[in-house]
Amino acid sequence: ETGVTQTPRHLVMGMTNKKSLKCEQHLGHNAMYWYKQSAKKPLELMFVYSLEERVENNSVPSRFSPECPNSSHLFLHLHTLQPEDSALYLCASSQAGDRAYNEQFFGPGTRLTVL
Amino acid sequence: RKEVEQDPGPFNVPEGATVAFNCTYSNSASQSFFWYRQDCRKEPKLLMSVYSSGNEDGRFTAQLNRASQYISLLIRDSKLSDSATYLCVVTPTGGGNKLTFGTGTQLKVEL
Repeated sequence: ETGVTQTPRHLVMGMTNKKSLKCEQHLGHNAMYWYKQSAKKPLELMFVYSLEERVENNSVPSRFSPECPNSSHLFLHLHTLQPEDSALYLCASSQAGDRAYNEQFFGPGTRLTVL
Repeated sequence: RKEVEQDPGPFNVPEGATVAFNCTYSNSASQSFFWYRQDCRKEPKLLMSVYSSGNEDGRFTAQLNRASQYISLLIRDSKLSDSATYLCVVTPTGGGNKLTFGTGTQLKVEL
């Protein structure tokens, strides 16, 4: 596997379900991100992990819970979601360092539908 | 005011046309600027960075106007394969890895 992979690619869940999204990066990066992309809205940064520590949490509701067990894996645990949480959830990784910016590489995303 | 603002389009252009997109940003202290490309049902990918001096990559030219807080992308000799959504992206003061995205401008290149 190369690049950034995400599973599942599609997920349909009820509001009372608990599910998890998985992201894995094979690029040797040390920073990982979760984004939400809703129709006709810009990508919204949800969480940032750098060196496995959460460094950004953009006022995301507690029904979304991230986990970063190591630098290659990132999870997003979901519980008691709302229909408005239906969106494309994108994972990305980059090499955080001294440069002002390091390119972020995105996974293909998980299309989530909450019924 | 949105942090990063783009005309959503769609821009429908014939093959071979020249097309330009603009993007405005609200934070005058923004540090870095980029164009990402997102194909239908695919993930965003970096197209090019945008420098104050302007930069060119083949048929693509990006420019930054800090005084007016806008960024542009010019595509010459459009190809069918250029059809995609083009996302304007900025980073805040201090740079780092926090990206702020615009909603994107949709381009459709037609025969």
